[in-house]
Amino acid sequence: GAVVSQHPSRVICKSGTSVKIECRSLDFQATTMFWYRQFPKQSLMLMATSNEGSKATYEQGVEKDKFLINHASLTLSTLTVTSAHPEDSSFYICTAGGRRNEQFFGPGTRLTVL
Amino acid sequence: GQQLNQSPQSMFIQEGEDVSMNCTSSSIFNTWLWYKQDPGEGPVLLIALYKAGELTSNGRLTAQFGITRKDSFLNISASIPSDVGIYFCAGLGGGSQGNLIFGKGTKLSVKP
Repeated sequence: GAVVSQHPSRVICKSGTSVKIECRSLDFQATTMFWYRQFPKQSLMLMATSNEGSKATYEQGVEKDKFLINHASLTLSTLTVTSAHPEDSSFYICTAGGRRNEQFFGPGTRLTVL
Repeated sequence: GQQLNQSPQSMFIQEGEDVSMNCTSSSIFNTWLWYKQDPGEGPVLLIALYKAGELTSNGRLTAQFGITRKDSFLNISASIPSDVGIYFCAGLGGGSQGNLIFGKGTKLSVKP
């Protein structure tokens, strides 16, 4: 399967700061990447679809001004959590779509906002 | 919206036993995916199913795409301790490529 990396793997920040998470597809070009959020002991919820060269598509209830997504190249999508608050603490995972619509997950980023 | 009902929620089994879990939906899906997630890690794709009735194996894992396209099961044979983790089913409906719907997961514990 495809290899997807994320950086950083873990971040702790103060309330009110912004945090950038990078998602890279290492061995293929991904015109579409996806960002999920997972709270403890819960399933994964799609936040947004990141489209290379165009605006991201956000799911209902996800604030686009708070979760900024940039997909500047075919191998990199970034998620910036702006003015983070403790309720934004979660596990953020990106995926890249495969040739047959399967999705390959990155290792995830654990965000803790103090 | 579309929802997946995954069961059981959790399983406690003895090493060597077979395991079965399933997902059902009131909606039709075009693709079913099964993932395993270890603590603190991203989910890893185990099996992808693309056709109704399709039966696919990956080592000790076997999964099937239901004929009605509204269900799928995953079987693990002769479980071993490293099978421990949370297993998620995910369905992809029509339309948007990214619209994966996840089940709530099945937590598997294996006693040596």
